[in-house]
Amino acid sequence: QSVLTQPPSVSAAPGQKATISCSGSSSNVGNSYVSWYQQIPGTAPKLLIYENNKRPSGIPDRFSGSTSGTSATLGITGLQTGDEADYYCGAWDTSLSAYVFGTGTKVTVL
Amino acid sequence: EVQLVESGGGLAQPGGSLRLSCGGSGFTFRNYAMSWVRQAPGKGLEWVSVINTGGGGTNYADSVKGRFTISRDNSKNTLYLQMDSLRAEDTAVYYCARVVPEMSGRPDQWGQGTLVTVSP
Repeated sequence: QSVLTQPPSVSAAPGQKATISCSGSSSNVGNSYVSWYQQIPGTAPKLLIYENNKRPSGIPDRFSGSTSGTSATLGITGLQTGDEADYYCGAWDTSLSAYVFGTGTKVTVL
Repeated sequence: EVQLVESGGGLAQPGGSLRLSCGGSGFTFRNYAMSWVRQAPGKGLEWVSVINTGGGGTNYADSVKGRFTISRDNSKNTLYLQMDSLRAEDTAVYYCARVVPEMSGRPDQWGQGTLVTVSP
């Protein structure tokens, strides 16, 4: 059972912006760094954002992250067909002593 | 280049056992915590377990506690997951992942996964 809640799906036209929310609690998002992962079907997840808003080398600045209280947001600007994938947030939960993932959001580029 | 390669997946009977392995290369394996994450068919990611650099510290998801054991052999750059008392709901692709910057950190590099199917 996922502890972090995300919308099941988000869609937008090519070139537009998509926004994905991640709702948690004070024991995870509100107290730990949030990461975001992109998973193209049939492949392993890839780290997109870490420590709330940092991008690993090679990740374009079209991807951005932010947090506010017990919620986090992933933004994708200039949507491309290659961005169609499932996206997951993740954070360490201090109450569970476990890493928790979001429920996942499927992004569709219309 | 960081590489993580899982092996050991396959078909197991309910109540049976399997041992997964994950070989790491392209980084100093002993300096990193490591974890296992699984994904049931058509479902989301589920964190399974994490182990610290030396192997003396571990954490498990409640769903596998008491049945799965994570371990590592730093001399062989290998991570393991011993899975006992397997259930149908353990059917999933199992990924090993490097964890940074410490045990309570984030998975940052992932293997390609190995499929475990639990069925009579």
